[in-house]
Amino acid sequence: SAVISQKPSRDICQRGTSLTIQCQVDSQVTMMFWYRQQPGQSLTLIATANQGSEATYESGFVIDKFPISRPNLTFSTLTVSNMSPEDSSIYLCSVDMTGDLTDTQYFGPGTRLTVL
Amino acid sequence: AQSVAQPEDQVNVAEGNPLTVKCTYSVSGNPYLFWYVQYPNRGLQFLLKYITGDNLVKGSYGFEAEFNKSQTSFHLKKPSALVSDSALYFCAVRPNAGNNRKLIWGLGTSLAVNP
Repeated sequence: SAVISQKPSRDICQRGTSLTIQCQVDSQVTMMFWYRQQPGQSLTLIATANQGSEATYESGFVIDKFPISRPNLTFSTLTVSNMSPEDSSIYLCSVDMTGDLTDTQYFGPGTRLTVL
Repeated sequence: AQSVAQPEDQVNVAEGNPLTVKCTYSVSGNPYLFWYVQYPNRGLQFLLKYITGDNLVKGSYGFEAEFNKSQTSFHLKKPSALVSDSALYFCAVRPNAGNNRKLIWGLGTSLAVNP
């Protein structure tokens, strides 16, 4: 498996501001994903972070609101822009370990965001 | 539409008793099947998966899951529950279609193991 870290682990932000969440992996991975999870609820995929090209967003999520960077095979950022209280959630990054044929997604510890 | 169902929002079991957390899916072809666990205020941890082969898959922390193709089910089991198993459990399915590696998630089942 991979060791995945996220920064920050939690934050409290004011309405209208932006927060950038970092995801770092200890090995090169082909695919990285960003999810949102309301506490105690299921996961919703925001986008697939593609290395060297624009992220692929799911229905209901747009680049202006959730810009994503993937500058290399071990790092990605998700920005939550112009935040509102509805953006309060847990944001998770995951990596798909396809290189060693395990076909398994592994998750970071998450970033708990509260917007006031 | 492809979907994953976890029919029980909550499962309660006494410590030492066997536990089952149910998962059924509606996905065409031969999907990959996964179980994840989420402890309070923690990220998701991979438990086990089925891709092919033996229908009974063994995973972390003494958990196992049985794949039943005719019933399109992948129930999670453990012979003897521990209080520390109390957590949120998610079933996920990856349709085995080309390079699409996105997972379809169940809504989760909260497991409470009572001492």
